[in-house]
Amino acid sequence: RKEVEQDPGPFNVPEGATVAFNCTYSNSASQSFFWYRQDCRKEPKLLMSVYSSGNEDGRFTAQLNRASQYISLLIRDSKLSDSATYLCVAVYGGATNKLIFGTGTLLAVQP
Amino acid sequence: DAGVTQSPTHLIKTRGQQVTLRCSPKSGHDTVSWYQQALGQGPQFIFQYYEEEERQRGNFPDRFSGHQFPNYSSELNVNALLLGDSALYLCASSFGGAGYNEQFFGPGTRLTVL
Repeated sequence: RKEVEQDPGPFNVPEGATVAFNCTYSNSASQSFFWYRQDCRKEPKLLMSVYSSGNEDGRFTAQLNRASQYISLLIRDSKLSDSATYLCVAVYGGATNKLIFGTGTLLAVQP
Repeated sequence: DAGVTQSPTHLIKTRGQQVTLRCSPKSGHDTVSWYQQALGQGPQFIFQYYEEEERQRGNFPDRFSGHQFPNYSSELNVNALLLGDSALYLCASSFGGAGYNEQFFGPGTRLTVL
């Protein structure tokens, strides 16, 4: 079983749609969680951190459920520019920040 | 302020050869991590360097080795290349190494092994 699991997609949605990505992690010792965005043939870039209390940044909302070991990302009012791969990340341990990535979920927003 | 830089951008090698990839961290960062990203997969952690020491290692064979220099730049060496080593190699830098500190990624080196 992979340490971080995501639905690989692709998710094909029209502009303006709301889309939700889900992710589960297997190690309950995970301490920090993030969503990264990766454009085609580019490096991953941090989209947002994920907290149990929820984290909202404009059209993006991330949520963590520690009891279920589940992370989500909600994108409202999708734009063409949101088309990318979204990577769910868990971090283990306090002394090092080894990022454990999911396989990523591909989002294609259609005009 | 330059971000994370990596060289070369692309590299083609044949099986059995050796390769060295280079990374310069973002200004002010002292920790460098290396990741391998195969096509269609998420990045996989190779190892992390802090204070010129390998601090943590992922599930990669000893053919993968690294080094960190006093100026915090780093090298990734891969010996006896296999076809399966073809991937995008990403370097990420951060400060201090704590789990909540953001890691900034370089553009990567795309390695093709023929």
